[in-house]
Amino acid sequence: GAGVSQSPSNKVTEKGKDVELRCDPISGHTALYWYRQRLGQGLEFLIYFQGNSAPDKSGLPSDRFSAERTGESVSTLTIQRTQQEDSAVYLCASSRRVGEKLFFGSGTQLSVL
Amino acid sequence: SQQGEEDPQALSIQEGENATMNCSYKTSINNLQWYRQNSGRGLVHLILIRSNEREKHSGRLRVTLDTSKKSSSLLITASRAADTASYFCATDGGQGAQKLVFGQGTRLTINP
Repeated sequence: GAGVSQSPSNKVTEKGKDVELRCDPISGHTALYWYRQRLGQGLEFLIYFQGNSAPDKSGLPSDRFSAERTGESVSTLTIQRTQQEDSAVYLCASSRRVGEKLFFGSGTQLSVL
Repeated sequence: SQQGEEDPQALSIQEGENATMNCSYKTSINNLQWYRQNSGRGLVHLILIRSNEREKHSGRLRVTLDTSKKSSSLLITASRAADTASYFCATDGGQGAQKLVFGQGTRLTINP
């Protein structure tokens, strides 16, 4: 595709439910990043992929968070047993290679009620 | 942590004036990048400056890098109302480090 695509753009869920957030990077981009941004705050690093491998998972807030990437393409961020503090915009970005400029998607606004 | 810190947190100026935002970081870097975020979601890449570069220009943007002070600045000249946005610096943590870490950002408001 022409850009990084994220779905859904908005997700409202009840506390305790699981959610899956999807990211389709730019074709051919080997690096893929997930960030979380709370209202009025900066970007919090969650995880990045080089190909299908995740060399750095240090930003995942708890074991309720997991992510995978397949076919060096689409990535899914899963949050289990959602909590109200998980409410935020989840941003995905990709780059041709690690260390190059990032292209961001429009994000998924997650609201946990 | 390697996180960059932007200064000031918020800046309000008149259209036509120049805007300067600063970024400080803690670890060595391979490169430093600046991004812009309009109200809404996605960030847009502005400039990437490598650790062996001291200054870089792109249109009305000028970025400087001082690795001895671990700091960078972003200058926007002849500001326009459309420049109103949040601006973030991002660093890569240097040799062997590959994740890109963002600061808290500077909220820039350009008044007509």
